[in-house]
Amino acid sequence: GAVVSQHPSWVICKSGTSVKIECRSLDFQATTMFWYRQFPKQSLMLMATSNEGSKATYEQGVEKDKFLINHASLTLSTLTVTSAHPEDSSFYICSARGTISYEQYFGPGTRLTVT
Amino acid sequence: KQEVTQIPAALSVPEGENLVLNCSFTDSAIYNLQWFRQDPGKGLTSLLLIQSSQREQTSGRLNASLDKSSGRSTLYIAASQPGDSATYLCAVIRTSYDKVIFGPGTSLSVIP
Repeated sequence: GAVVSQHPSWVICKSGTSVKIECRSLDFQATTMFWYRQFPKQSLMLMATSNEGSKATYEQGVEKDKFLINHASLTLSTLTVTSAHPEDSSFYICSARGTISYEQYFGPGTRLTVT
Repeated sequence: KQEVTQIPAALSVPEGENLVLNCSFTDSAIYNLQWFRQDPGKGLTSLLLIQSSQREQTSGRLNASLDKSSGRSTLYIAASQPGDSATYLCAVIRTSYDKVIFGPGTSLSVIP
């Protein structure tokens, strides 16, 4: 149990376009999901926290108008990178927190490459 | 502000050796501490989770200890194997509702 999926697993897009990444909790309900970013050879840095039905809370330095987060249901959160640039190329990982154990379960990540 | 550090940043050992990875955190008020493994280009694999009331957890060849008062945790890997080569991340969470704060990781290479 407690499986989190991400789609797509990798994506290549052109500079200036937008790309959407989905994070799903497959077998549990998640009132809270977290989005992390990981640059090469660096650790994971939290970008934002999303609560179902509410606006996301962004970490300092993360542009909320560039990284749009929607958490419309208890099993799905989406991250949209708008007007992507090469410096947005990174590994994006989501996690979902269950409503019972409160443990966070991590998705497999999405590798974004902006050309 | 909670900060997590890991020592060493990289480690290379011959196969069969026992090894210890270290993690330190600045705020001892944590809810739990978790060790993850990350293979290159892949997501996270949870290895061990230690609740704040616990002192250690064991899974197979892995043993993780927690000393909240000193802000330290260690991950002990016994009889290392080439398949253990990966980056090991330590992470802490302050409360059940809080975000996870990751350390920078230790890159482990086990030489056959």
